[in-house]
Amino acid sequence: GESVGLHLPTLSVQEGDNSIINCAYSNSASDYFIWYKQESGKGPQFIIDIRSNMDKRQGQRVTVLLNKTVKHLSLQIAATQPGDSAVYFCAETDANAGGTSYGKLTFGQGTILTVHP
Amino acid sequence: EPEVTQTPSHQVTQMGQEVILRCVPISNHLYFYWYRQILGQKVEFLVSFYNNEISEKSEIFDDQFSVERPDGSNFTLKIRSTKLEDSAMYFCASRTRRRSSYNEQFFGPGTRLTVL
Repeated sequence: GESVGLHLPTLSVQEGDNSIINCAYSNSASDYFIWYKQESGKGPQFIIDIRSNMDKRQGQRVTVLLNKTVKHLSLQIAATQPGDSAVYFCAETDANAGGTSYGKLTFGQGTILTVHP
Repeated sequence: EPEVTQTPSHQVTQMGQEVILRCVPISNHLYFYWYRQILGQKVEFLVSFYNNEISEKSEIFDDQFSVERPDGSNFTLKIRSTKLEDSAMYFCASRTRRRSSYNEQFFGPGTRLTVL
């Protein structure tokens, strides 16, 4: 069936380095792709999303890139900090501009990011 | 800052027993969700709820599961007869209807359900 998955299960970086977390998806009909962060003992927290008609979107210290040709999504974190250590999930949804979607999220497997001071 | 709350944080039950997991979504939100996460696996969608009815459910959400919004604040997930494989972390989430926040679901801290 359709799924969203990750290339690398773990990523270790030094504080101050840039981090890149990757995700492969198979449902080319998805409207939005989203990154969530899950810290230990907490629920997932929204980071950033990108609509399927875009290639790049920037937030504060984060950038999401979407390559529809190879069905690949990535999250770039600039100047990674120890507080960025968490599990990062990509997700997709069929939310549409008309606002009638109920917004079910389909999550990928997750990547554990560890930032060393 | 408003947040989604869930109780209890940890529920231990015997196989075959009924459990009710409780959630208080953010007060002005209109869409409500339950997800579950089996240890070491990805977060899986169970059900969405809007306008006092189920709007979508997954294959996991069979007849043993039900959801309810008994008043203006609580949102509950009931499992009628728990199975060992129901052991997981259960997350409640909610979101507003505002166009700019379609994808920003706010998750609670989860309830860890252990079925013995």
